[in-house]
Amino acid sequence: GAGVSQSPSNKVTEKGKDVELRCDPISGHTALYWYRQSLGQGLEFLIYFQGNSAPDKSGLPSDRFSAERTGGSVSTLTIQRTQQEDSAVYLCASSLRDWPYEQYFGPGTRLTVT
Amino acid sequence: AQSVAQPEDQVNVAEGNPLTVKCTYSVSGNPYLFWYVQYPNRGLQFLLKYITGDNLVKGSYGFEAEFNKSQTSFHLKKPSALVSDSALYFCAVSTDTGRRALTFGSGTRLQVQP
Repeated sequence: GAGVSQSPSNKVTEKGKDVELRCDPISGHTALYWYRQSLGQGLEFLIYFQGNSAPDKSGLPSDRFSAERTGGSVSTLTIQRTQQEDSAVYLCASSLRDWPYEQYFGPGTRLTVT
Repeated sequence: AQSVAQPEDQVNVAEGNPLTVKCTYSVSGNPYLFWYVQYPNRGLQFLLKYITGDNLVKGSYGFEAEFNKSQTSFHLKKPSALVSDSALYFCAVSTDTGRRALTFGSGTRLQVQP
Protein backbone atom coordinates (compact mmCIF):
# COMPACT_ATOMS: atom_id res chain seq x y z
CA GLY A 1 0.00 0.00 0.00
CA ALA A 2 0.92 3.66 -0.12
CA GLY A 3 3.52 4.82 2.33
CA VAL A 4 4.11 8.19 3.91
CA SER A 5 4.54 10.88 1.30
CA GLN A 6 6.13 14.29 1.66
CA SER A 7 6.28 17.32 -0.56
CA PRO A 8 8.24 18.99 -1.91
CA SER A 9 11.17 16.61 -2.07
CA ASN A 10 13.57 19.55 -2.30
CA LYS A 11 13.11 23.19 -1.35
CA VAL A 12 15.61 26.01 -1.76
CA THR A 13 14.65 29.28 -0.16
CA GLU A 14 16.25 32.57 0.71
CA LYS A 15 17.00 33.51 4.28
CA GLY A 16 14.05 35.28 5.84
CA LYS A 17 11.36 33.64 3.70
CA ASP A 18 8.63 31.38 5.07
CA VAL A 19 8.32 27.75 3.93
CA GLU A 20 5.64 25.08 4.25
CA LEU A 21 6.39 21.37 4.17
CA ARG A 22 3.63 18.82 3.70
CA CYS A 23 3.19 15.28 4.99
CA ASP A 24 0.56 12.72 3.99
CA PRO A 25 0.59 9.85 6.48
CA ILE A 26 -0.41 6.27 5.85
CA SER A 27 -4.18 5.99 5.74
CA GLY A 28 -5.61 4.97 9.11
CA HIS A 29 -2.53 5.96 11.10
CA THR A 30 -3.53 8.15 14.01
CA ALA A 31 -0.07 9.24 15.16
CA LEU A 32 2.11 11.60 13.13
CA TYR A 33 5.61 12.80 13.91
CA TRP A 34 8.03 15.36 12.47
CA TYR A 35 11.78 14.96 12.81
CA ARG A 36 14.75 16.86 11.45
CA GLN A 37 17.95 15.24 10.22
CA SER A 38 21.03 17.41 9.92
CA LEU A 39 24.76 16.74 9.81
CA GLY A 40 25.65 18.25 13.10
CA GLN A 41 22.56 17.30 15.10
CA GLY A 42 21.58 13.85 13.89
CA LEU A 43 17.86 13.00 14.05
CA GLU A 44 15.87 15.38 16.23
CA PHE A 45 12.25 15.15 17.27
CA LEU A 46 10.20 18.24 16.45
CA ILE A 47 6.50 17.65 17.07
CA TYR A 48 4.03 14.79 17.55
CA PHE A 49 0.28 14.50 16.93
CA GLN A 50 -1.91 11.71 18.27
CA GLY A 51 -5.57 11.70 17.34
CA ASN A 52 -7.42 14.66 18.83
CA SER A 53 -5.00 15.14 21.71
CA ALA A 54 -2.97 18.33 22.08
CA PRO A 55 0.26 17.97 20.10
CA ASP A 56 3.59 17.48 21.84
CA LYS A 57 5.56 20.51 20.67
CA SER A 58 8.46 20.03 23.04
CA GLY A 59 11.00 19.45 20.25
CA LEU A 60 10.36 22.61 18.26
CA PRO A 61 13.62 24.60 18.30
CA SER A 62 12.06 28.08 18.23
CA ASP A 63 8.76 29.90 17.85
CA ARG A 64 9.50 30.26 14.14
CA PHE A 65 8.48 26.61 13.80
CA SER A 66 4.85 25.50 13.89
CA ALA A 67 2.81 22.59 12.61
CA GLU A 68 -0.80 21.65 12.21
CA ARG A 69 -2.66 18.53 11.31
CA THR A 70 -5.99 18.95 9.59
CA GLY A 71 -8.76 16.39 9.86
CA GLY A 72 -6.46 13.96 11.61
CA SER A 73 -4.60 13.29 8.37
CA VAL A 74 -2.40 15.69 6.40
CA SER A 75 0.13 17.76 8.32
CA THR A 76 1.97 20.94 7.42
CA LEU A 77 5.18 22.10 9.05
CA THR A 78 5.76 25.83 8.70
CA ILE A 79 9.05 27.60 9.24
CA GLN A 80 8.85 31.38 9.37
CA ARG A 81 11.73 33.74 8.64
CA THR A 82 14.04 30.87 7.70
CA GLN A 83 17.65 30.91 8.83
CA GLN A 84 20.64 29.07 7.39
CA GLU A 85 20.73 26.77 10.40
CA ASP A 86 17.27 25.52 9.40
CA SER A 87 18.85 23.73 6.43
CA ALA A 88 18.23 20.02 6.97
CA VAL A 89 16.14 17.09 5.83
CA TYR A 90 12.71 17.20 7.43
CA LEU A 91 11.23 13.75 7.97
CA CYS A 92 7.64 12.87 8.66
CA ALA A 93 6.55 9.55 10.16
CA SER A 94 3.25 7.95 11.05
CA SER A 95 2.22 4.99 13.16
CA LEU A 96 -1.00 3.06 13.61
CA ARG A 97 -1.30 4.46 17.11
CA ASP A 98 1.31 5.97 19.34
CA TRP A 99 3.97 4.02 21.19
CA PRO A 100 5.03 1.33 21.10
CA TYR A 101 3.96 0.97 17.50
CA GLU A 102 6.71 1.31 14.94
CA GLN A 103 6.87 4.48 12.94
CA TYR A 104 6.97 4.53 9.15
CA PHE A 105 8.97 7.33 7.62
CA GLY A 106 8.51 9.35 4.48
CA PRO A 107 11.37 10.14 2.10
CA GLY A 108 11.87 13.59 3.59
CA THR A 109 12.05 17.15 2.34
CA ARG A 110 15.54 18.55 1.87
CA LEU A 111 15.45 22.23 2.83
CA THR A 112 18.29 24.51 1.83
CA VAL A 113 18.31 28.09 3.08
CA THR A 114 20.65 30.35 1.11
CA ALA B 1 15.52 12.55 29.87
CA GLN B 2 16.11 9.65 27.53
CA SER B 3 19.19 9.09 25.41
CA VAL B 4 20.78 6.59 23.05
CA ALA B 5 24.46 6.03 22.39
CA GLN B 6 25.93 4.37 19.34
CA PRO B 7 29.62 4.33 20.16
CA GLU B 8 30.88 3.44 16.69
CA ASP B 9 30.60 5.89 13.81
CA GLN B 10 31.47 3.12 11.38
CA VAL B 11 31.68 -0.66 11.42
CA ASN B 12 33.55 -2.56 8.73
CA VAL B 13 32.98 -6.26 8.15
CA ALA B 14 33.72 -8.73 5.38
CA GLU B 15 30.86 -10.31 3.49
CA GLY B 16 29.83 -13.59 5.10
CA ASN B 17 31.13 -12.64 8.53
CA PRO B 18 28.87 -11.91 11.48
CA LEU B 19 28.19 -8.27 12.27
CA THR B 20 27.31 -6.37 15.42
CA VAL B 21 26.22 -2.74 15.69
CA LYS B 22 26.22 -1.51 19.25
CA CYS B 23 23.58 0.53 21.07
CA THR B 24 23.12 1.51 24.70
CA TYR B 25 20.28 3.56 26.12
CA SER B 26 19.18 5.53 29.15
CA VAL B 27 15.51 6.03 30.10
CA SER B 28 13.25 6.41 33.07
CA GLY B 29 10.62 3.71 32.98
CA ASN B 30 10.36 0.79 30.62
CA PRO B 31 12.29 1.15 27.36
CA TYR B 32 10.85 0.47 23.94
CA LEU B 33 13.75 -0.04 21.55
CA PHE B 34 13.91 0.13 17.79
CA TRP B 35 16.39 -0.27 14.96
CA TYR B 36 16.02 1.58 11.68
CA VAL B 37 18.14 1.46 8.54
CA GLN B 38 18.71 4.26 6.06
CA TYR B 39 19.95 3.52 2.55
CA PRO B 40 21.46 6.35 0.47
CA ASN B 41 18.86 8.90 -0.66
CA ARG B 42 16.06 6.91 0.96
CA GLY B 43 13.97 7.27 4.06
CA LEU B 44 14.35 5.37 7.30
CA GLN B 45 13.10 1.79 7.22
CA PHE B 46 11.96 -0.10 10.30
CA LEU B 47 14.01 -3.23 11.06
CA LEU B 48 12.85 -4.53 14.43
CA LYS B 49 11.65 -3.57 17.90
CA TYR B 50 11.71 -4.73 21.48
CA ILE B 51 8.67 -4.00 23.61
CA THR B 52 8.49 -6.82 26.12
CA GLY B 53 9.00 -10.57 26.32
CA ASP B 54 11.82 -12.53 24.74
CA ASN B 55 15.10 -10.63 24.91
CA LEU B 56 16.09 -11.78 21.42
CA VAL B 57 14.00 -10.19 18.72
CA LYS B 58 14.12 -11.02 15.05
CA GLY B 59 13.45 -8.55 12.30
CA SER B 60 13.67 -7.90 8.60
CA TYR B 61 16.47 -9.03 6.29
CA GLY B 62 17.85 -11.59 8.76
CA PHE B 63 18.70 -9.04 11.45
CA GLU B 64 18.17 -9.66 15.14
CA ALA B 65 18.84 -7.74 18.33
CA GLU B 66 19.34 -8.70 21.93
CA PHE B 67 17.88 -6.67 24.77
CA ASN B 68 20.06 -6.68 27.87
CA LYS B 69 18.44 -4.84 30.75
CA SER B 70 21.39 -5.03 33.14
CA GLN B 71 23.74 -3.57 30.54
CA THR B 72 21.07 -1.24 29.09
CA SER B 73 22.05 -2.42 25.63
CA PHE B 74 20.25 -3.40 22.45
CA HIS B 75 22.91 -4.51 19.97
CA LEU B 76 21.97 -5.30 16.38
CA LYS B 77 23.35 -8.51 14.94
CA LYS B 78 23.37 -10.59 11.81
CA PRO B 79 25.04 -14.00 11.45
CA SER B 80 26.29 -13.44 7.89
CA ALA B 81 26.69 -9.98 6.39
CA LEU B 82 25.83 -9.09 2.81
CA VAL B 83 27.29 -6.26 0.74
CA SER B 84 23.72 -5.01 0.36
CA ASP B 85 23.55 -4.51 4.14
CA SER B 86 25.86 -1.52 3.78
CA ALA B 87 23.85 1.44 5.07
CA LEU B 88 23.38 3.79 8.02
CA TYR B 89 21.81 2.19 11.08
CA PHE B 90 19.98 4.03 13.83
CA CYS B 91 19.01 2.80 17.25
CA ALA B 92 16.07 4.58 18.91
CA VAL B 93 14.19 4.49 22.20
CA SER B 94 10.89 5.64 23.58
CA THR B 95 9.34 4.92 26.96
CA ASP B 96 6.04 4.46 28.68
CA THR B 97 6.72 7.31 31.09
CA GLY B 98 8.24 9.94 28.85
CA ARG B 99 8.09 11.31 25.37
CA ARG B 100 6.19 9.16 22.90
CA ALA B 101 8.37 10.17 19.98
CA LEU B 102 11.63 8.39 19.32
CA THR B 103 14.99 9.51 20.61
CA PHE B 104 17.63 8.43 18.12
CA GLY B 105 21.28 7.58 18.41
CA SER B 106 23.78 9.31 16.17
CA GLY B 107 23.87 6.44 13.71
CA THR B 108 26.46 3.84 12.70
CA ARG B 109 27.59 3.40 9.13
CA LEU B 110 27.96 -0.27 8.26
CA GLN B 111 30.34 -1.06 5.43
CA VAL B 112 30.38 -4.66 4.20
CA GLN B 113 33.31 -5.45 1.97
CA PRO B 114 33.03 -8.12 -0.75
